[in-house]
Amino acid sequence: GENVEQHPSTLSVQEGDSAVIKCTYSDSASNYFPWYKQELGKRPQLIIDIRSNVGEKKDQRIAVTLNKTAKHFSLHITETQPEDSAVYFCAEPGGSNYKLTFGKGTLLTVNP
Amino acid sequence: DSGVTQTPKHLITATGQRVTLRCSPRSGDLSVYWYQQSLDQGLQFLIQYYNGEERAKGNILERFSAQQFPDLHSELNLSSLELGDSALYFCASSVASGVRETQYFGPGTRLLVL
Repeated sequence: GENVEQHPSTLSVQEGDSAVIKCTYSDSASNYFPWYKQELGKRPQLIIDIRSNVGEKKDQRIAVTLNKTAKHFSLHITETQPEDSAVYFCAEPGGSNYKLTFGKGTLLTVNP
Repeated sequence: DSGVTQTPKHLITATGQRVTLRCSPRSGDLSVYWYQQSLDQGLQFLIQYYNGEERAKGNILERFSAQQFPDLHSELNLSSLELGDSALYFCASSVASGVRETQYFGPGTRLLVL
């Protein structure tokens, strides 16, 4: 089935702190998990993705972890900066080869 | 700039009317996706085309239709518009059609139905 739950819906952190956003999915056939960032008034942009054959992927200050057994994946942002403030969306394909189901989004605010 | 263009940027219309949203994918991209973004529903996948053919369908209403032309641009037609259709409509494109392909989003068309 297509169902991805994203938490929290809002997250406020102090500059320099870490932020973690978690998504839970239901379809064990899901094998690809991207994260998109959408700044206010802008388009969504892919920031990192992970495939089901790895447990973690890092790109500078952002990382994504995947727990296939528990069916959840998380976005980790370290040393947060004000420009990290945005809405972050997780997505997963369920059993589809062609379409992504997006989470409801997390509004991250990084306070200077 | 992702290379994906969408027109118009804004559209204001009345209930019952019909509108057409246009999308031009990045050069070389064969797949086009349409999404609807509203405050209460988030980012909803509507439909995907690959090289002119429909490849996947999401939560697209029967009042909505889309097509991809030989030059690969795509149009999303929304008819019998209702207040609840007010939303931001995004087009995205990718090189191929698989779900693991990076999707590049356009700037969106903001539709307001009065």
